[in-house]
Amino acid sequence: GQNIDQPTEMTATEGAIVQINCTYQTSGFNGLFWYQQHAGEAPTFLSYNVLDGLEEKGRFSSFLSRSKGYSYLLLKELQMKDSASYLCAPKALNNAGNMLTFGGGTRLMVKP
Amino acid sequence: EAGVAQSPRYKIIEKRQSVAFWCNPISGHATLYWYQQILGQGPKLLIQFQNNGVVDDSQLPKDRFSAERLKGVDSTLKIQPAKLEDSAVYLCASSSQSTGYGYTFGSGTRLTVV
Repeated sequence: GQNIDQPTEMTATEGAIVQINCTYQTSGFNGLFWYQQHAGEAPTFLSYNVLDGLEEKGRFSSFLSRSKGYSYLLLKELQMKDSASYLCAPKALNNAGNMLTFGGGTRLMVKP
Repeated sequence: EAGVAQSPRYKIIEKRQSVAFWCNPISGHATLYWYQQILGQGPKLLIQFQNNGVVDDSQLPKDRFSAERLKGVDSTLKIQPAKLEDSAVYLCASSSQSTGYGYTFGSGTRLTVV
């Protein structure tokens, strides 16, 4: 089964750093994705972690701890355009092949 | 590389009417997914295809929803008859081994049932 928990909303100030946490319980866990979704648009890929540790990509970093069922997305030097929903999506390898299950998303509001 | 194409972009229908959505995945992507995203929620998987075969449709309301992927390329998702609670964005995504099985999403179809 799948159980994914992430905060519903967060607010941060332009130029600041924000960390969005995600905890999950996923059968057949095989990696974790983070997607960004602006209002009215489709989700777009941000990061992928399959091993424990931190993956850094520009202003965005993602961390995974498989033993704790925990991940976070770290956004640095926040910009107004970072206002969006951030979706945590564990990947499972099961009889259906590879499948992503999405959390409810964290809506981030960046204020001046 | 062309993205995932979906149409129509928007659709408004009355309850009990039928509606169909179309998706053309990225060329060469064997796996295709349909997700339903209700406003304020994360996407929920409706059905997953591998080539032209269904591998997971456990969350598809089969009394009113149907989907097919003829020839393992394009796919259509149909709702008949529609209910008010079907109002949502319907997202199509495709993936392949080369992408680490990460998804590329289409722009979605926003359905409003009145």
